[in-house]
Amino acid sequence: DVKVTQSSRYLVKRTGEKVFLECVQDMDHENMFWYRQDPGLGLRLIYFSYDVKMKEKGDIPEGYSVSREKKERFSLILESASTNQTSMYLCASSLWQGGYEQYFGPGTRLTVT
Amino acid sequence: GNSVTQMEGPVTLSEEAFLTINCTYTATGYPSLFWYVQYPGEGLQLLLKATKADDKGSNKGFEATYRKETTSFHLEKGSVQVSDSAVYFCALSRPGGSNYKLTFGKGTLLTVNP
Repeated sequence: DVKVTQSSRYLVKRTGEKVFLECVQDMDHENMFWYRQDPGLGLRLIYFSYDVKMKEKGDIPEGYSVSREKKERFSLILESASTNQTSMYLCASSLWQGGYEQYFGPGTRLTVT
Repeated sequence: GNSVTQMEGPVTLSEEAFLTINCTYTATGYPSLFWYVQYPGEGLQLLLKATKADDKGSNKGFEATYRKETTSFHLEKGSVQVSDSAVYFCALSRPGGSNYKLTFGKGTLLTVNP
């Protein structure tokens, strides 16, 4: 089974802090994704990566950056956390080819106070 | 552009009732279509998929048929259980190019009462 793990289930940070969210997948997937999920807005894509050191902006990249130094690991960075970044963050991975289904981690609920 | 529209919830049913959650899409090309389920406090799990017109995806008693003529992928289950209570998301892939991103609907909350 594909396994996608995220470093924390719950995280509380203060405004202005630098925040790192880590995601690891164990199935040698080329593509990795970061989403945020908010009530009434569904899932919105922040960034994705289709190879090591490669990244592309999604629909809402402002205030975020990412890092992918190894194929299995994809990090989301909030350079200076703000209260409007309080959300559920979901990581996903997928193969380069095939049906393109994505496999999701359990999510990190981030609260910025 | 590509988009997914699914019926707004919440949907509340009694156990053993028939379930339909409507999903329609707009896309260029030939997308693959998916249903994901999210149980409380968890991430999304792939429930079923269909990759071409007239394909039927099925899993755990749920079914959905890829209807290109009506651009629809409605989710159905003949007899729901309390354990089916969750949020259901319809999604499509965006074929072509170097990125295989998914477009998601807003989700439909299903509550099944005993």
